[in-house]
Parts: sequence; structure tokens; C-alpha cells
Amino acid sequence: AQKVTQAQTEISVVEKEDVTLDCVYETRDTTYYLFWYKQPPSGELVFLIRRNSFDEQNEISGRYSWNFQKSTSSFNFTITASQVVDSAVYFCAYRQGGSEKLVFGKGTKLTVNP
Amino acid sequence: DTAVSQTPKYLVTQMGNDKSIKCEQNLGHDTMYWYKQDSKKFLKIMFSYNNKELIINETVPNRFSPKSPDKAHLNLHINSLELGDSAVYFCASSPGVTLNNEQFFGPGTRLTVL
Repeated sequence: AQKVTQAQTEISVVEKEDVTLDCVYETRDTTYYLFWYKQPPSGELVFLIRRNSFDEQNEISGRYSWNFQKSTSSFNFTITASQVVDSAVYFCAYRQGGSEKLVFGKGTKLTVNP
Repeated sequence: DTAVSQTPKYLVTQMGNDKSIKCEQNLGHDTMYWYKQDSKKFLKIMFSYNNKELIINETVPNRFSPKSPDKAHLNLHINSLELGDSAVYFCASSPGVTLNNEQFFGPGTRLTVL
């Protein structure tokens, strides 16, 4: 069965610091999709990014960047120059190709202090 | 316009009662889901429907019964509520597995069983 591990339960940084959230997955599938979702204190789940197993290009979106490495089964998320509004729980998730089921990691709670 | 909406947002009830949570999406998606987020923030899929047909049922007690009157709605009915049912329940939708897209989540319903 597929498994998603977010080893960092909680991270606390000071505003403007860079922070990387780790995500490691286990699978025997050849086709799969990886996701990051943000859950701010208000509780909703906000989609951030999707990556498929055939696309190892890193992606940058403003202060956010993602590093997908199949060799280490990792899909890490970096926030550059963090802001207080980045405080949230961040979830990494996995979906097998052809399946509707999203498997979530346990989440990393990020606190950005002013 | 709200993409995925759920009602109610909060639900407080006594053990043994029966309650329903409603979900509607106006995205034209074919697939809808219910997830449960427990007190430790762990997110787990419960059900998935594709065009009103059940495609995922993740070992959920049969006190939980999803109902999809049409592909834009997926309601969750819970019989004989127990203390352990207290959680946040999220509805989500996606275009469908063949399109390999992300899932869009509703705002969540916080259920408290007393």
C-alpha cells in the first residue's frame, strides 16, 4: 500500500526565514500523482500543486517552490521569505494513477512568528 | 460563487441521534468524495462517487451512508452517532480520474457528538 510520510510534525520559524517541508512517499506504482494542500487556521483545504510521476521538473510559484525527486521518493516544499500568513498545516498527498483515492500524510504544522 | 459547499458548517448533537451533512458542487465535476479529519488532523477518505455510483468505500461503519441524488450532490447520513464520530468532515470533488486532476474541497463540517 502506498504511504506518505511527513516527518516534521511542527515547525516554527521567524518571519522572512526560508523553510522546507519534507514529504517522502512509498509506492510500487509507475504512474502516480503527488499533491500539496494548505489548511490555514480557518480550516479549509487549499490546493497548492499537483505533480505527476513522469514530470520531475521543479516548480516555482512566487515564494513557493517544490522539489520532486523520484530517486529519493521525495516531494519537498520550500517557502522562501516566510510570512505570518503562511502559518498553516500543510499536507502532502499521493494518488495512484487510475485511482480516485488520495492518501494524505499526517501534515506539518508551520508557525511563522512575526 | 462557492465551488464546493457544505451544510451545516457546525453540527452539535447527542449520542445516538441521526444526522445528515449536505454537499453540493457547481464545478460540473463527475466525482465527489467524503473525507474525515480527526482531532489529530489526520485526513482519510471515506467514500467516493462517480456519476452517482459508489466507487470507493473505505471500511467505514455501515452507520455512515452516502447518498448521491445527482452528480452535483453527495450527502452523508450518519445513524446512531457515537462519540468517536466527532471530527471535521470534508466533501470534495474532481473532474474524474481519467483527467488526473486535483480534488477541490469544501469548507468542512465540524461534527461534535456529546
